[in-house]
Amino acid sequence: AQKITQTQPGMFVQEKEAVTLDCTYDTSDPSYGLFWYKQPSSGEMIFLIYQGSYDQQNATEGRYSLNFQKARKSANLVISASQLGDSAMYFCAMRVNTNAGKSTFGDGTTLTVKP
Amino acid sequence: EAGVAQSPRYKIIEKRQSVAFWCNPISGHATLYWYQQILGQGPKLLIQFQNNGVVDDSQLPKDRFSAERLKGVDSTLKIQPAKLEDSAVYLCASSPTQGASGNTIYFGEGSWLTVV
Repeated sequence: AQKITQTQPGMFVQEKEAVTLDCTYDTSDPSYGLFWYKQPSSGEMIFLIYQGSYDQQNATEGRYSLNFQKARKSANLVISASQLGDSAMYFCAMRVNTNAGKSTFGDGTTLTVKP
Repeated sequence: EAGVAQSPRYKIIEKRQSVAFWCNPISGHATLYWYQQILGQGPKLLIQFQNNGVVDDSQLPKDRFSAERLKGVDSTLKIQPAKLEDSAVYLCASSPTQGASGNTIYFGEGSWLTVV
């Protein structure tokens, strides 16, 4: 069975500073993908970044980077230079190649950026 | 490229009534998902289609929920009869293929259901 754990229900960060959102995962499948999504109050799920289990380098997308530590089964999201518009719920998710590409989401972290 | 379309956006019904949600995935996406997201929680997969076949419905409450994807494109999720605990956002999503862990799942804006 797959499991995603996000241990930080809420996080605060000062505008322009960096913040790390934690995510640990569990799977016995050797081939999987890890994703982060942003969900503003409007409810839409916005894809941010992807990391494959066989990728050698950490993924980066603009101000977003994924700190992938495979041995520790962690996939933390780093947001640099936080902006007020980054205030939202953030979800870590995983897909595996077996089991019909089953997807699993964590319970999310609410990020609040302070001016 | 058009995104995942869902309707209605908002629905309020009384318990024991029925409701149906519609989803049109991104063109060419073979895999379609319905998730239930209760306030303060992450999305929970209800059902996953590959083309018009069901590949995972293990968490779908089949006594009251049903879903279909005729012709492998649009999909409808129905709840009958609704219970108070069904109040949630119902998210439809799609991705190019199943099984490929690198394929991003794209979401619609969601259908917000309130059962009173």
